[in-house]
Amino acid sequence: AQSVTQPDIHITVSEGASLELRCNYSYGATPYLFWYVQSPGQGLQLLLKYFSGDTLVQGIKGFEAEFKRSQSSFNLRKPSVHWSDAAEYFCAVVSSSGSARQLTFGSGTQLTVLP
Amino acid sequence: EAGVAQSPRYKIIEKRQSVAFWCNPISGHATLYWYQQILGQGPKLLIQFQNNGVVDDSQLPKDRFSAERLKGVDSTLKIQPAKLEDSAVYLCASSSITSGSEQYFGPGTRLTVT
Repeated sequence: AQSVTQPDIHITVSEGASLELRCNYSYGATPYLFWYVQSPGQGLQLLLKYFSGDTLVQGIKGFEAEFKRSQSSFNLRKPSVHWSDAAEYFCAVVSSSGSARQLTFGSGTQLTVLP
Repeated sequence: EAGVAQSPRYKIIEKRQSVAFWCNPISGHATLYWYQQILGQGPKLLIQFQNNGVVDDSQLPKDRFSAERLKGVDSTLKIQPAKLEDSAVYLCASSSITSGSEQYFGPGTRLTVT
């Protein structure tokens, strides 16, 4: 069965510092991978997605992620964090079950940004 | 383009009471999802509709949870009777054939069961 692991429950960085959030997946076929962000009291907003092709994908708000098949990873990065990036980040993988395509989420990483 | 709408945004009930949540997906989106997000966890799929038919409800606790999407547009999720462990955020999402696997999420309903 497919699964997603986000090893870091909580990360704290200073504003302007670089950021990397880790995501490892388990899925037999070529995965469709996503990163979502959730601000307090809000729904999930899509940051970026990987379906195929170039393994380095660019997203909104200056985020990027790199798909590494050999490591089963899809880590999220940002070169310089802004205070407004403080939120919870979820990695997800799409799996197929019969005719259904479903998202399986990791448990999330809470990001705190220090001034 | 309007996003996914959900109501109410917040609900507090006592255990053994019933509650209903409403979701209106993005216009034209045939697929609708209900997720449960318990504090500190990622969202977990409860049920998936394709138009007005159920595609997958394998993780829906059918003894107390029910959901419908009668006209293939908006949907209602009901809990009866509620338990303390049902306290969570209930998220609705929708997707279209052209959006592929990309899902668009509503703001969620935060349920507290006391």
